[in-house]
Amino acid sequence: GDSVTQMEGPVTLSEEAFLTINCTYTATGYPSLFWYVQYPGEGLQLLLKATKADDKGSNKGFEATYRKETTSFHLEKGSVQVSDSAVYFCALRSQIYNQGGKLIFGQGTELSVKP
Amino acid sequence: DGGITQSPKYLFRKEGQNVTLSCEQNLNHDAMYWYRQDPGQGLRLIYYSQIVNDFQKGDIAEGYSVSREKKESFPLTVTSAQKNPTAFYLCASRGGTSHSNQPQHFGDGTRLSIL
Repeated sequence: GDSVTQMEGPVTLSEEAFLTINCTYTATGYPSLFWYVQYPGEGLQLLLKATKADDKGSNKGFEATYRKETTSFHLEKGSVQVSDSAVYFCALRSQIYNQGGKLIFGQGTELSVKP
Repeated sequence: DGGITQSPKYLFRKEGQNVTLSCEQNLNHDAMYWYRQDPGQGLRLIYYSQIVNDFQKGDIAEGYSVSREKKESFPLTVTSAQKNPTAFYLCASRGGTSHSNQPQHFGDGTRLSIL
């Protein structure tokens, strides 16, 4: 079945460092791909999305490119801030008929940014 | 502002007791979802509903029940049959059809613990 694999955390970086969080997927067809962010004690917020191959999603300095050939959707940011400390989830939406548009999530990657 | 409201934020269950978690949305979305989040894991789908008076089991439905009598509301009952209910529960909703690229929007979650 469809699945998402993220790099394990926690990831600890200094402020202004470059961030990469790897995400690869297995899916039938052409799923839509998402990155969500979760701050402590809160629900998930959509960070960015991409709906077809070679699409680049971007928001708040974060970017991710839908790579069909490597089945990847890695999250990147050029210069992280302390306020970016959170848990990041990669997810795909199944294209299998009658799955109700459900999301399949990776296990999450905790990011901690130190001043 | 439109959004998803989950209540209560914290809930405690005694042995053998059923508890109900509330989820209300004013986004006029047809589809609603319940996920369970355990520490260090991604979200797993419990139930989903694509339209009023209809719902389907997700990947971990055993020990849970739902209803969808109104478009705005999708309450989740954690029954006494759920032997390991301690978790963070997240409700989500989505507009458009099941094949659209609309993202899911999440509430702030309910943390359920066993007394």
